[in-house]
Amino acid sequence: GAGVSQSPSNKVTEKGKDVELRCDPISGHTALYWYRQSLGQGLEFLIYFQGNSAPDKSGLPSDRFSAERTGGSVSTLTIQRTQQEDSAVYLCASSLDSWGTQYFGPGTRLLVL
Amino acid sequence: AQTVTQSQPEMSVQEAETVTLSCTYDTSESDYYLFWYKQPPSRQMILVIRQEAYKQQNATENRFSVNFQKAAKSFSLKISDSQLGDAAMYFCAAAYSGAGSYQLTFGKGTKLSVIP
Repeated sequence: GAGVSQSPSNKVTEKGKDVELRCDPISGHTALYWYRQSLGQGLEFLIYFQGNSAPDKSGLPSDRFSAERTGGSVSTLTIQRTQQEDSAVYLCASSLDSWGTQYFGPGTRLLVL
Repeated sequence: AQTVTQSQPEMSVQEAETVTLSCTYDTSESDYYLFWYKQPPSRQMILVIRQEAYKQQNATENRFSVNFQKAAKSFSLKISDSQLGDAAMYFCAAAYSGAGSYQLTFGKGTKLSVIP
């Protein structure tokens, strides 16, 4: 079946602009996670969704970062007023339930100039 | 805080030989899961193997097996009969139920090169 998909694959933006990153999880997966992968910080957890609610937002680095999930499916990660330190690969993962194995999408590479 | 440590930034192995990647973790939780993920240059994180902490038997998936030493908090990955396609970054990760979610905590990764 189809895996996790993410769009865009690559995004170049100017400092101060807002960006939206999209994740389509595997159909039927109730849990969805966002991670960030950067050279300096490695792989970091950002936020977890169970259905449409986000019981764990502890990894969001600042209030410029927000995310939502609709219909228990698609999720959007929004970064407002982007900064150069936001440049990273943003990975989305989904799992059948909260303790299931997480399957990752191909990521979105964000470059803030 | 939970931590996962991979002490080998880079490793290399001859094709068809065996290599072991090391990982240690630190947690006070009793319920947790351990994983090895592979990330080739394509960026796609691919699950290699999963181990439940409550299981004493080491997980095995074809040429991949783990040596899970719970008391030592060690979780190493053995790759047998290495193939060129095994070349990638390998990440050890742990998921703990006490964190509010089963978010993964990752090590820094080991870059594996396979020499023909």
